[in-house]
Amino acid sequence: DSGVTQTPKHLITATGQRVTLRCSPRSGDLSVYWYQQSLDQGLQFLIQYYNGEERAKGNILERFSAQQFPDLHSELNLSSLELGDSALYFCASSAWGQVKNTGELFFGEGSRLTVL
Amino acid sequence: DQQVKQNSPSLSVQEGRISILNCDYTNSMFDYFLWYKKYPAEGPTFLISISSIKDKNEDGRFTVFLNKSAKHLSLHIVPSQPGDSAVYFCAASAKDSNYQLIWGAGTKLIIKP
Repeated sequence: DSGVTQTPKHLITATGQRVTLRCSPRSGDLSVYWYQQSLDQGLQFLIQYYNGEERAKGNILERFSAQQFPDLHSELNLSSLELGDSALYFCASSAWGQVKNTGELFFGEGSRLTVL
Repeated sequence: DQQVKQNSPSLSVQEGRISILNCDYTNSMFDYFLWYKKYPAEGPTFLISISSIKDKNEDGRFTVFLNKSAKHLSLHIVPSQPGDSAVYFCAASAKDSNYQLIWGAGTKLIIKP
């Protein structure tokens, strides 16, 4: 158990719709990351938040947005969904920005999004 | 520009033999390297890491070797077990990039009985 919690585990929706994925980081971690893994693809970094502020941006589409709330949980919003958005979305947390940081990321179990 | 490359998409190894997964990098500023293991439909889990000031780190059946002059690292698994079948990701970070992880594309390891 990594300590990172993601909900929902599975989500099926239609094209054009909007969904929200939620992540609670490991206790004590201030940094949250979102990754996308499409079928048989590697991990694509989407975005990182640190203590409520966006810290780094990867290959995140404009249709996607994220935020980190004061209680440090994060949400990834995916809108105007397309078939190609079907993927596993992982949240990770780390001690990045803190003295105890070792660079290690702790991943949740992922949210599997299917767009029909 | 791929700074971290795993050139073998897949690797098949006999159970009990040694599995060697390779990773090459281009950024000489990387000072920390990590290996993650990922089963299907699960999140990646940390396996082993190595600092750039070392050339070897061992943890049970897993050993990571770092060759800085060649900008190459490898993960050795001895002996390979069926439960080792997974995708292995190599990742690297640098202090001057605030330790943001740069990921390789992964290598799928298949352990044959």
